[in-house]
Amino acid sequence: TQLLEQSPQFLSIQEGENLTVYCNSSSVFSSLQWYRQEPGEGPVLLVTVVTGGEVKKLKRLTFQFGDARKDSSLHITAAQTGDTGLYLCSGYSGGYQKVTFGIGTKLQVIP
Amino acid sequence: DTGVSQNPRHKITKRGQNVTFRCDPISEHNRLYWYRQTLGQGPEFLTYFQNEAQLEKSRLLSDRFSAERPKGSFSTLEIQRTEQGDSAMYLCASSFRGHGNTGELFFGEGSRLTVL
Repeated sequence: TQLLEQSPQFLSIQEGENLTVYCNSSSVFSSLQWYRQEPGEGPVLLVTVVTGGEVKKLKRLTFQFGDARKDSSLHITAAQTGDTGLYLCSGYSGGYQKVTFGIGTKLQVIP
Repeated sequence: DTGVSQNPRHKITKRGQNVTFRCDPISEHNRLYWYRQTLGQGPEFLTYFQNEAQLEKSRLLSDRFSAERPKGSFSTLEIQRTEQGDSAMYLCASSFRGHGNTGELFFGEGSRLTVL
């Protein structure tokens, strides 16, 4: 069983602060995705990382894939209230052809 | 095509009743997934199809759950004899399996089930 652990599970910060959330596994993944989910809605894909050590930037969001392709981080600079939501990471293993999700990090940005 | 469509969005039912959810994937996507999500948890894998073939079903899924994708397009998820523990958001996602597939999923808005 491939497990993805996300930390922290809950995070409440003031607008303008920076934050980092983590996604860790003992398994190697072909790729890893980050999604953002708002209450009552389905997850929306933010980014896919494929290469070990890869860094991708999406405006104020920076995503990094670990060198061994077992872990990833999401860093948000100058958080805004619109960043509030549940951030999910998922790992894809081409061999198993299955997508596994972490429990998520619930982020609240306070004005 | 506007994305993955799920209906109904909300379903309230009494314990013991049967319910069915429908998912229409993105038209060119050949893979379709069902996940279940409860409050405070990440999506839990239920089953997935490639075209009309159901390739994997979670061992956590009881016999009361069945899913079909008869023509390789839309899919239905039926829950028979519902129990209060079935209350959750049921998420459908689709993807295209082909060269360069990276496991990206495109989700619908979900169908929320409440069993009284």
